[in-house]
Parts: sequence; C-alpha cells; structure tokens
Amino acid sequence: DVKVTQSSRYLVKRTGEKVFLECVQDMDHENMFWYRQDPGLGLRLIYFSYDVKMKEKGDIPEGYSVSREKKERFSLILESASTNQTSMYLCASSRDGMGSYEQYFGPGTRLTVT
Amino acid sequence: DAKTTQPTSMDCAEGRAANLPCNHSTISGNEYVYWYRQIHSQGPQYIIHGLKNNETNEMASLIITEDRKSSTLILPHATLRDTAVYYCIVRVANQAGTALIFGKGTTLSVSS
Repeated sequence: DVKVTQSSRYLVKRTGEKVFLECVQDMDHENMFWYRQDPGLGLRLIYFSYDVKMKEKGDIPEGYSVSREKKERFSLILESASTNQTSMYLCASSRDGMGSYEQYFGPGTRLTVT
Repeated sequence: DAKTTQPTSMDCAEGRAANLPCNHSTISGNEYVYWYRQIHSQGPQYIIHGLKNNETNEMASLIITEDRKSSTLILPHATLRDTAVYYCIVRVANQAGTALIFGKGTTLSVSS
C-alpha cells in the first residue's frame, strides 16, 4: 500500500519562529510536492522537487524554502512564520516518466501561527 | 491544462449510485481526465483516470463521452464514507514536476 506521511497533523507556532514540516514517501517516487490549501482558494503549489537536491518554485514560494537531501524525504521550511501562513499543508509524490500518472497525498498538516 | 466545470453540490442516498458529472469542452487530444476526492480534514485521494475509453477500478467507474467533452464518475453503491469533495482534473500525460490544478469540485453528501 502506497504511503505518504507527514510529521504532524496539527501544529501551533508563534510568529517569527522557524518551522519545519517533514514529508516521507515509501514509493521510491522521483517527484515530490508541497501544496497549501485555504478555503475558497483550493490547492496552491509552493515548491516541488523532481530529484534529490533539485527544487523548483511553484506558484507561491515566498516565505518558504525546501530541502530534499534524500529521495524519500521532502521538507518545507517556513523561515520566519507569519499569521498569513496559517493553513493546511499537503505533501504529495508521484513517479516520473511518460504516460499517465497520479499524485499520492499525505494526510496534511494543519498549521496555526499565532 | 483544460478547464473543468462541475456542479457545486450533490446529494445521494446510501446504497444508491452516485453519478458525478464534469464538463471539459476544451480538452485536448493528449489530455487525460483524472478524478480525486478529499474527505474532510484529509489529503486528496486519487480515484481513477482515463483518456478516451471507459475505465473501472475497485473504487469507481469513469464514463467519457465519445467527443471527450464531458465525463461522469460513478460510485456504484455510495456509502456514508463517500461523503467528500470530488475533483475532476484534466491534464496532459506526465510532465515532471507539474502540479495538479484543483478547482472547487463537487461536494457529495451521502445520507442514510
């Protein structure tokens, strides 16, 4: 059974703190993604990675950075948390190569910044 | 990626078939139709996808019209646990690192 896990389901942090969100997949997928989901705005892509140590900005990368040192792990970092980063954060992974494919999502981390 | 149109909400009685429509009139020949769902407070879950032939798996069936401008996701015997937001997405075959674009989807409510 394919699996994407995220380090926390719920997280509460203070403004200005550095926040690490971890994501691990066990499917040997090349691609990994970080989205945030907000009411009325749907899912928005923050960053993605198509290989170890490779990363690309998504639609809303400001205020975030990522790290992918190992194929199975993709970390999202909030350098200095702000209240407008309160959101649901979703990690996903997919295999690479031609042909149709699907993304597998983790359970999400609901982050509250106070 | 082509745009999709789905009804905002639908209701279904438990045990009955749930038929969720999706319009994608501008779909290109190399674009697939994907369906995902998101149960409250969980991550999206892949359901099924297809190009032009009808598809079936253990979760659902996907019916794509011959002109490919619309499709229907069928949950043959809906249960209360099928209550979720259902997203229809059209996109080309894998392009490394490209994100899925989720619209507002259809909120399906299954009641007993």
